[in-house]
Amino acid sequence: AQSVTQLDSQVPVFEEAPVELRCNYSSSVSVYLFWYVQYPNQGLQLLLKYLSGSTLVKGINGFEAEFNKSQTSFHLRKPSVHISDTAEYFCAVSANNAGNMLTFGGGTRLMVKP
Amino acid sequence: DTGVSQNPRHKITKRGQNVTFRCDPISEHNRLYWYRQTLGQGPEFLTYFQNEAQLEKSRLLSDRFSAERPKGSFSTLEIQRTEQGDSAMYLCASSLLSNTEAFFGQGTRLTVV
Repeated sequence: AQSVTQLDSQVPVFEEAPVELRCNYSSSVSVYLFWYVQYPNQGLQLLLKYLSGSTLVKGINGFEAEFNKSQTSFHLRKPSVHISDTAEYFCAVSANNAGNMLTFGGGTRLMVKP
Repeated sequence: DTGVSQNPRHKITKRGQNVTFRCDPISEHNRLYWYRQTLGQGPEFLTYFQNEAQLEKSRLLSDRFSAERPKGSFSTLEIQRTEQGDSAMYLCASSLLSNTEAFFGQGTRLTVV
């Protein structure tokens, strides 16, 4: 079984400042890693994913994440946030032999202030 | 194709009533998933289909819940004898067999009063 911990339930940040949203996971098997964004009353949109290869992955809207196997982390970063980045962000994992079933963290609410 | 479609978007029902939700996946997507998301939490896996076969069910899926995908296209999720604890957003997602990316619908928000 897998589990995902998002260490911060809320992250307030000023516009144009950098941000990091933290994600740690545990699994007894190899996993794929994902970050999704959810705007109010909407479904989930994929920001980026790590399947294999380079540990630094770039996604949409200027986000990137780095996979650290030794620390079992997959933190999400953006060098300069915009008001429109205000949303809920979910880290998720799937065992790479598990038919794409996702285990999600509890989410981090990013609040960008002007 | 505009993505995964879920209907209705909102449903308010009285405790004890039955409800049914529908999900239309992206065309040609073999896999279809249902998740439940309660307020302030991440989505939790309920069940998934590969074509018309239901391959996995979570322990969260009690006997009052049933899901079908009769022709390997759209899927329905039925909740019988609804309880207040069933109030949540029900999310549907689909993916290709050969692709690890799941595309989510906008969800159906259920409120049991």
